[in-house]
Amino acid sequence: GQQVQQSPASLVLQEGENAELQCNFSSTATQLQWFYQSPGGSLVSLLSNPSGTKHTGRLTSTTVTKERRSSLHISSSQTTDSGTYLCAISVSGSFNKLTFGAGTRLAVCP
Amino acid sequence: ETAVFQTPNYHVTQVGNEVSFNCKQTLGHDTMYWYKQDSKKLLKIMFSYNNKQLIVNETVPRRFSPQSSDKAHLNLRIKSVEPEDSAVYLCASSHRDREDTQYFGPGTRLLVL
Repeated sequence: GQQVQQSPASLVLQEGENAELQCNFSSTATQLQWFYQSPGGSLVSLLSNPSGTKHTGRLTSTTVTKERRSSLHISSSQTTDSGTYLCAISVSGSFNKLTFGAGTRLAVCP
Repeated sequence: ETAVFQTPNYHVTQVGNEVSFNCKQTLGHDTMYWYKQDSKKLLKIMFSYNNKQLIVNETVPRRFSPQSSDKAHLNLRIKSVEPEDSAVYLCASSHRDREDTQYFGPGTRLLVL
């Protein structure tokens, strides 16, 4: 089956530092989403980026489809960025069901 | 702004009981999903419904059954819960044909004693 690997598993930053999160997947993805899950558990979609580069606020995602990898760059991190970042893909014919990675747990210290 | 609503937020029950979770979306999407997030925080798809028809049914135990009255509602019933059913159950919705962004509800946390 499809596999989604995220790295690093955890990351600790000082406020203001940048973060680079990686997602590698085993199948050609027709959809790729980055999610943020707060310590309280709610899941929020950050970016939908099956290919190319997308920006929103301090977030930049770059997906290289043929290399089956995506990255999420967080610039000028803030303490409120702390939480878990999840990468998920769907493949053609899967009826858009998402396969999730295990996530990167980010802690931003003041 | 929340557009996928789940109830209850939290439920504690005992082994063997039946539970039912509700999900409603106000986004006009035609596809809804149930995911399970276990104690290791790994999210896995359980069911997917498109216009009231089951289109994906992962290998979940038979005691789990999704129920849909219309495309805006997808409930999840668990007959005779087991301890391993303790998890967070997340509902999501999207447009199927566009393989669009999925939007998630806040989740229902189930604890089976």
